[in-house]
Amino acid sequence: EPEVTQTPSHQVTQMGQEVILRCVPISNHLYFYWYRQILGQKVEFLVSFYNNEISEKSEIFDDQFSVERPDGSNFTLKIRSTKLEDSAMYFCASRRTGPAANEKLFFGSGTQLSVL
Amino acid sequence: KQEVTQIPAALSVPEGENLVLNCSFTDSAIYNLQWFRQDPGKGLTSLLLIQSSQREQTSGRLNASLDKSSGRSTLYIAASQPGDSATYLCAPPGYGQNFVFGPGTRLSVLP
Repeated sequence: EPEVTQTPSHQVTQMGQEVILRCVPISNHLYFYWYRQILGQKVEFLVSFYNNEISEKSEIFDDQFSVERPDGSNFTLKIRSTKLEDSAMYFCASRRTGPAANEKLFFGSGTQLSVL
Repeated sequence: KQEVTQIPAALSVPEGENLVLNCSFTDSAIYNLQWFRQDPGKGLTSLLLIQSSQREQTSGRLNASLDKSSGRSTLYIAASQPGDSATYLCAPPGYGQNFVFGPGTRLSVLP
């Protein structure tokens, strides 16, 4: 079965550094998402991306965050200047069609980001 | 704003029991609702997607029901096994494109 692939699985960084989390969505999917989960808390929506632009973002997704689809296969999340509170598991997800089409959302296995 | 709650927060049962996990949501204007499984330190595995026009959806020992009007969904697990031990997350859509996740039910099935 096709999978959403995320790299790296673990990332340790110093506060204030930039990090880029990488995702390869399922090949025929058109809708892409980033979610995060702080340890012991709910999975939270960050951003959705379709047709090479952000379609929706949450309050968490401030100016420190950006997303990009640099080529036909990768989807990245950049955090410009990391803070301690950015430490979380970051999940990439993709879906072939939009929310009204009743198709499943598929998640990657996540990148555990630790900011020291 | 979509708010999601799940009851119980945790459940520990002996192997073989039939289980009911409950999910409530506040905004019933949804197209569908998805149930996920999360193993410790791992990603989310999609279990079932139930459409708003359906009342039930089945996959193996799992059965999900949806009552949009009352803002409730239920996940039934038949004949539970130790391998079913995980956290189960309910996710209806919020406004726009995103899914909104509940806090989950942490299930332990004892051999």
